[in-house]
Amino acid sequence: GAVVSQHPSRVICKSGTSVKIECRSLDFQATTMFWYRQFPKKSLMLMATSNEGSKATYEQGVEKDKFLINHASLTLSTLTVTSAHPEDSSFYICSARDWTGGDGELFFGEGSRLTVL
Amino acid sequence: GQQVMQIPQYQHVQEGEDFTTYCNSSTTLSNIQWYKQRPGGHPVFLIQLVKSGEVKKQKRLTFQFGEAKKNSSLHITATQTTDVGTYFCAGPSGNEKLTFGTGTRLTIIP
Repeated sequence: GAVVSQHPSRVICKSGTSVKIECRSLDFQATTMFWYRQFPKKSLMLMATSNEGSKATYEQGVEKDKFLINHASLTLSTLTVTSAHPEDSSFYICSARDWTGGDGELFFGEGSRLTVL
Repeated sequence: GQQVMQIPQYQHVQEGEDFTTYCNSSTTLSNIQWYKQRPGGHPVFLIQLVKSGEVKKQKRLTFQFGEAKKNSSLHITATQTTDVGTYFCAGPSGNEKLTFGTGTRLTIIP
């Protein structure tokens, strides 16, 4: 199956700093990538849809100025958590679809666990 | 907006017992997908169902899509310790997006 790689897997930062998370599709091109957030023992909540070459589409209630998304190429999307606060601590997961065969399922990155002190 | 609920939220079973999770959508779905997330891991695609009343099997796992295409179920026969994890159903919600269900966390008692 397709491979989506996410980096870093874990990050600890101080309150007020910014953190960038990278999501790469390794063996396919993805014009669209999805960023999810998951709290402990909870479901995946879609934050935004990252669109290659254009602005991201944010879900209702997600602050676009706080969660900056850039999709500069067909294989890379980045999520930057700006001015992070402890309540931003969470598990962030990106995903993308490989439409070349299969059911159009989502392939997920390994996830990035953010801890804001 | 679209809501996808799953029951039960948690299920603890003795190894060898069967397990079932039920998924209910507030809207009719064109298809439904199932994912498994192991503890500490990321979701992994299991299967997609498209047709009304469709039943698919993967070894000990049986997936069913309801006639009205608003509900689905996943049944595991004779659970094993490798089945541990959280099972999510997910339905399309426009513009290639997926709405995930609330999930069912399965733990196995050896």
